[in-house]
Amino acid sequence: GAGVSQSPRYKVAKRGQDVALRCDPISGHVSLFWYQQALGQGPEFLTYFQNEAQLDKSGLPSDRFFAERPEGSVSTLKIQRTQQEDSAVYLCASSLVGLAAFYEQYFGPGTRLTVT
Amino acid sequence: AQRVTQPEKLLSVFKGAPVELKCNYSYSGSPELFWYVQYSRQRLQLLLRHISRESIKGFTADLNKGETSFHLKKPFAQEEDSAMYYCATQEGGTASKLTFGTGTRLQVTL
Repeated sequence: GAGVSQSPRYKVAKRGQDVALRCDPISGHVSLFWYQQALGQGPEFLTYFQNEAQLDKSGLPSDRFFAERPEGSVSTLKIQRTQQEDSAVYLCASSLVGLAAFYEQYFGPGTRLTVT
Repeated sequence: AQRVTQPEKLLSVFKGAPVELKCNYSYSGSPELFWYVQYSRQRLQLLLRHISRESIKGFTADLNKGETSFHLKKPFAQEEDSAMYYCATQEGGTASKLTFGTGTRLQVTL
């Protein structure tokens, strides 16, 4: 089946613009994660959903960042009034959840955001 | 807080040479440790996890709790091993966030 998909793959925004990044997880995956990967760095956790509930948003860097998953499937990461430091690749990952000790997180291809 | 350190940004080896990608972690509990790999123009994917003790594509990684290390090893490097490698930890629980290191680019040359 299809893996995690993300759109757009590339986004250029002028400083101060709002952007919305979309993630389509693997069908049936309850858990959904957003990560931010700056140039030369590893991915850093932003937020986590289980179904439509946002259970952890401790990694969101500021109140300009907002994520939602209203129907428990597709998720949108919104960044308001973008700043140059927001330039990064935004990765989405999904996984099952249940009684097993481990469920693999499957990553999407990422959205490369460039703020000019 | 968890922290993962990968001291080498780039590791260049010849084909057929042994490979060791270093990873050290700091975590107060019992860590779940992973290696992720990203080949050129592909997405990030799981390579192996410590608890499974598998050998994937000839790679192994042993958890050394005394040294808090989880180095990735392969006895004979292949060209197709050239990629970005990330060490990661996961807090307890099946649906927990991953904490990644900064990554090491492995370059295998002829």
